[in-house]
Amino acid sequence: NAGVTQTPKFQVLKTGQSMTLQCAQDMNHNSMYWYRQDPGMGLRLIYYSASEGTTDKGEVPNGYNVSRLNKREFSLRLESAAPSQTSVYFCASPRAGAYNEQFFGPGTRLTVL
Amino acid sequence: AQSVAQPEDQVNVAEGNPLTVKCTYSVSGNPYLFWYVQYPNRGLQFLLKYITGDNLVKGSYGFEAEFNKSQTSFHLKKPSALVSDSALYFCAVRDSYLNRDDKIIFGKGTRLHILP
Repeated sequence: NAGVTQTPKFQVLKTGQSMTLQCAQDMNHNSMYWYRQDPGMGLRLIYYSASEGTTDKGEVPNGYNVSRLNKREFSLRLESAAPSQTSVYFCASPRAGAYNEQFFGPGTRLTVL
Repeated sequence: AQSVAQPEDQVNVAEGNPLTVKCTYSVSGNPYLFWYVQYPNRGLQFLLKYITGDNLVKGSYGFEAEFNKSQTSFHLKKPSALVSDSALYFCAVRDSYLNRDDKIIFGKGTRLHILP
């Protein structure tokens, strides 16, 4: 039982390049989230998926797209990377229920040059 | 609108002394409150939560937090700090009034330094 896994762990892109961040959870949870973490900004929600087949925008969705491929996997895509997207990206998944804690992946550190 | 504030960017405490990391919140309904810890190059780990009941909540690694409704606070505490407690701590809140998956708000984080 690995919990939440993310790939890659590190990535360097040039401006305009595209890439997909992968996330998978083996806890059979319905919801999955993508956050970005920036110094002094805390965690900001990019997109989330309340269940398989549904996705919704969070606080900072511009420049990103997501796919909930199945119940286990939730990917985040940068179509044309910009330096402002340099950040650490975390995938998370909570157990069902408003008062349950989230389980986080180890993060992807992305640098856009 | 719901919000959460961590007024201190950094807290320094000598090893063995008690520590407090502050958190205040604003919600429309009743709050669900959480504390998470992040060690270097790791994801966030859940520490403890307050949903209802006893105002003093105990969590992992000897941490506890006190819910104070009148002061809208949920400060994280530990009686005796360890050097290994040095990390980044996040407070998070969800409003019980809002039945939406996106409404979990994280604070900006407080870096805790425990001095040997």
